[in-house]
Amino acid sequence: DAKTTQPNSMESNEEEPVHLPCNHSTISGTDYIHWYRQLPSQGPEYVIHGLTSNVNNRMASLAIAEDRKSSTLILHRATLRDAAVYYCIPYSGYSTLTFGKGTMLLVSP
Amino acid sequence: KAGVTQTPRYLIKTRGQQVTLSCSPISGHRSVSWYQQTPGQGLQFLFEYFSETQRNKGNFPGRFSGRQFSNSRSEMNVSTLELGDSALYLCASSAGVANEKLFFGSGTQLSVL
Repeated sequence: DAKTTQPNSMESNEEEPVHLPCNHSTISGTDYIHWYRQLPSQGPEYVIHGLTSNVNNRMASLAIAEDRKSSTLILHRATLRDAAVYYCIPYSGYSTLTFGKGTMLLVSP
Repeated sequence: KAGVTQTPRYLIKTRGQQVTLSCSPISGHRSVSWYQQTPGQGLQFLFEYFSETQRNKGNFPGRFSGRQFSNSRSEMNVSTLELGDSALYLCASSAGVANEKLFFGSGTQLSVL
């Protein structure tokens, strides 16, 4: 499994953009980059995933470096409901996600 | 569509007992996977079932087992409970295709005394 490095925590103000970085320098060529988040007292929730090009959905955007050794999850306007632990997971299997420690995002009003 | 349902939500057992946890996946999903979450080890993959067959297995002792029924519902069993088995047990469902997203339940919080 590819090793990931994420900041332990990050802070943001409400309605500001948030850029959550992830380093995955040992990623294999077939691994997609998945992002999940876990809100307090809940199970993880899928956010977004991509392989090579940047991806957008209603929750967030994913910017993937050209060499695929790093990626950035972008929340365009943070809300209090976005406060969670965010996990970056290089993955190419069947339901066998390997979670690291993730980044705890704190959002202030 | 109803989400992933896990029962019970909380469970208290004593050392040496066994426990069975239940997971009902999203309708139409054929894959159910189980994860253990503890403050020390984080989220760790236990095993995955697809169409009633165990397809993948994590690095846990044989005391942890599971099964899946023909309606895709899954159960996880832990025998001879140890204090270290206290954890949040999470179940996730998906259609079972590679690289697709998983849908997680809210988990069962198991406390072993």
